[in-house]
Amino acid sequence: AQKITQTQPGMFVQEKEAVTLDCTYDTSDPSYGLFWYKQPSSGEMIFLIYQGSYDQQNATEGRYSLNFQKARKSANLVISASQLGDSAMYFCAMRGFNSGGSNYKLTFGKGTLLTVNP
Amino acid sequence: KAGVTQTPRYLIKTRGQQVTLSCSPISGHRSVSWYQQTPGQGLQFLFEYFSETQRNKGNFPGRFSGRQFSNSRSEMNVSTLELGDSALYLCASSLGGEIHNEQFFGPGTRLTVL
Repeated sequence: AQKITQTQPGMFVQEKEAVTLDCTYDTSDPSYGLFWYKQPSSGEMIFLIYQGSYDQQNATEGRYSLNFQKARKSANLVISASQLGDSAMYFCAMRGFNSGGSNYKLTFGKGTLLTVNP
Repeated sequence: KAGVTQTPRYLIKTRGQQVTLSCSPISGHRSVSWYQQTPGQGLQFLFEYFSETQRNKGNFPGRFSGRQFSNSRSEMNVSTLELGDSALYLCASSLGGEIHNEQFFGPGTRLTVL
């Protein structure tokens, strides 16, 4: 079974500052992928960044970077230079492959509500 | 390239009725997944289809069913609606079953059961 834990229900950050959103995971799958999604109040889930369990380097996508620490089973999202439009719910998710084949579903955490203050 | 579309966007039903939601994936994507999102339970996986075959199913009662057509469009059906079925239903499409294939989500269908 897979489990994603996001311990911060809400976070506040000042505009132009950096913020880190925490994510820890648990899985017995030998290989897996970790995803971060953003969900604005409109409801649509927007893909932000992906990290594979065997990737040697931390993933980066523009202002988003992923601090991946495999031994600690953590995959924290770092948003640099926060903007007002970054205010949204952020979800960490995982998808794994076990010895029996693919696991096609995404398992999501409960999310972190980020508020960017002007 | 057009994104994932879901219809209808909003739906109001009464208990005991049934409902069908539709999802059109991104062109070329053969995998379609469905998720239910509620304030209490968060995002929960319903099922996933690939080339008209259900590959994975979440822990939902048999009242929840789905199918996929040859053009990859998918529908999900909920029969005998209950108040607890009120939720945002999200559809996601991806190229296939590779780990790195990100899922692209549609805007969702917000179902209210009265």
